[in-house]
Amino acid sequence: DTGVSQDPRHKITKRGQNVTFRCDPISEHNRLYWYRQTLGQGPEFLTYFQNEAQLEKSRLLSDRFSAERPKGSFSTLEIQRTEQGDSAMYLCASSGRGLARETQYFGPGTRLLVL
Amino acid sequence: SQQGEEDPQALSIQEGENATMNCSYKTSINNLQWYRQNSGRGLVHLILIRSNEREKHSGRLRVTLDTSKKSSSLLITASRAADTASYFCATDAESGGSNYKLTFGKGTLLTVNP
Repeated sequence: DTGVSQDPRHKITKRGQNVTFRCDPISEHNRLYWYRQTLGQGPEFLTYFQNEAQLEKSRLLSDRFSAERPKGSFSTLEIQRTEQGDSAMYLCASSGRGLARETQYFGPGTRLLVL
Repeated sequence: SQQGEEDPQALSIQEGENATMNCSYKTSINNLQWYRQNSGRGLVHLILIRSNEREKHSGRLRVTLDTSKKSSSLLITASRAADTASYFCATDAESGGSNYKLTFGKGTLLTVNP
């Protein structure tokens, strides 16, 4: 069990550019979540996958955001035409089956700065 | 929207003292969880308490849940400098279906001075 990993850990981009983040969940976990955290706030839910199916998207996820989990393993979160307001920490979490589904294990996050 | 609200927003104590943080929430829940976050890093799961439980212990942690008041408390006993972090409560809303998405509060920043 190597834990949830995220790549890159930091990303600086210019406004208008596209960025893509990757999340590798714990290998046996079928549920994967994306959250966004801004300074001084708690994480806010963005979207959720069960296996490869994206089952829920928050209203925070504008049409510039897209997430995929093509084979039910790793996931990507893409932001198109980035805006300064997209600057935040993007956190990925995963959880397992049965009672294990209740506990989410978080990765270290990708910190995005849009200039 | 933030369902949970932690209180206080910041807490500073001396090493060896106990630290108590409170969390209030708005809707019916399946469970409530506490997470710790060290500066600028990912969240670490500390403890989960289900809606039919009233108290739970894990090492130096004690969590209580009062569903009638929609509130929870986290007690850290015999604090250490390494406990310095932000602590968040997170709720899994009963109305959330099978998604188990979490709604977090804004957190309590705990500073333990050596």
